[in-house]
Amino acid sequence: QVQLVQSGAEVKKPGASVKVSCKASGYTFTNYFLHWVRQAPGQGLEYMGIIRPGDGSTSYTQKFQGRITMTRDTSTSTVYMDLSSLSSEDTAVYFCAREQERDFWFDPWGQGTLVTVSS
Amino acid sequence: QSALTQPASVSGSPGQSITISCTGTSSDVGSLNVVSWYQQHPGKAPKLMIYEVTKRPSGVSNRFSGSKSGNTASLTISGLQAEDEGDYYCCSYATTYTYVFGTGTKVTVL
Repeated sequence: QVQLVQSGAEVKKPGASVKVSCKASGYTFTNYFLHWVRQAPGQGLEYMGIIRPGDGSTSYTQKFQGRITMTRDTSTSTVYMDLSSLSSEDTAVYFCAREQERDFWFDPWGQGTLVTVSS
Repeated sequence: QSALTQPASVSGSPGQSITISCTGTSSDVGSLNVVSWYQQHPGKAPKLMIYEVTKRPSGVSNRFSGSKSGNTASLTISGLQAEDEGDYYCCSYATTYTYVFGTGTKVTVL
């Protein structure tokens, strides 16, 4: 079955970077887009950006421009989200989610990765 | 891009119907029929419940239905059940490769 499995929880100090992975299985990796969405504790969902595994192209929301990088490894069907210059406001659960091109919805989602930023 | 506006909480008794609204602008909700809805239980990932305003994915109960009028989309849960408790989020495609989520609604079954 289609599955997105994310890497484990991380604890980082302010100013550091974090790299979260999302491994896809059960479908042709390059035929679907992958998005990243985060959720701060007790808060709502916040859209971060998209990576297109077919060609590796990316688009990020303006809020994260300059400190977010999404990459992919087609040999392992894995996408990565790298967020730098972390602050306490980046403490959140980070989700990856799949979209078929031009479908405009996300299904399924990864299980989420908790990133805690604390000194 | 501002979050879409949802009521913070909605409640109902078992068997009743409830409706959650999702208000945006002509640049997002009102522009295309691409609003989707997600259910989230505590500590879990969101689950797709409605896509393209009115469509239900395979496996989602027909007690869930969606609609849209102008810049406001709505999710209706009929025959409310205890398992429907959780948080619900709407989502719309906004601009080129940008999406916006709703503020979220906590559904309580009394």
